Amino acid sequence: KQEVTQIPAALSVPEGENLVLNCSFTDSAIYNLQWFRQDPGKGLTSLLLIQSSQREQTSGRLNASLDKSSGRSTLYIAASQPGDSATYLCAVRNTGGFKTIFGAGTRLFVKA
Amino acid sequence: NAGVMQNPRHLVRRRGQEARLRCSPMKGHSHVYWYRQLPEEGLKFMVYLQKENIIDESGMPKERFSAEFPKEGPSILRIQQVVRGDSAAYFCASSLEQGIGTYNEQFFGPGTRLTVL
Repeated sequence: KQEVTQIPAALSVPEGENLVLNCSFTDSAIYNLQWFRQDPGKGLTSLLLIQSSQREQTSGRLNASLDKSSGRSTLYIAASQPGDSATYLCAVRNTGGFKTIFGAGTRLFVKA
Repeated sequence: NAGVMQNPRHLVRRRGQEARLRCSPMKGHSHVYWYRQLPEEGLKFMVYLQKENIIDESGMPKERFSAEFPKEGPSILRIQQVVRGDSAAYFCASSLEQGIGTYNEQFFGPGTRLTVL
């Protein structure tokens, strides 16, 4: 049974810092991994999608890596800004099925 | 180029009533997923549908919940005889799902917040 864990649960950093959010999963037979952000009371915004055959994806100040063998993904945010404050969710989709398993999220607060 | 649409955004029901949540996928998407987010909890997969077919409903409660995605019109998540524990945010996502790559990226709607009194 796939389990997805995100560490830390919450993070508070000053503006301008580079930071790393961690996601780990127990079953390496994944189809893809997707990072989302969720603002309070709102829906999810897709940030990056990494296919199982890929090692990383980049979009602007965001970089996500995937290491299937160790069951880990990291989301790197460069030069953080107050507007980055949100909950970041990691979601894993397994092979042989269609279920997507979400982590509990990392709540990020970037102080101005 | 509208994204995933969900309505209503907020829904209040009394115990025992029925709740109907609608989801219109992004244009060209024929695959829909429903998730539930309980207060202070993560998102939980409920069901995955293609047009006119339920592909995976392993996350759906066995009773009172049903979902459909007809050939025409939006996908519907239906909750009969609602109870207080059904109060949650219900999110819909859609994807293209043709081949591999970015076609299976899921795009989410804004959610429907159900409150059961």
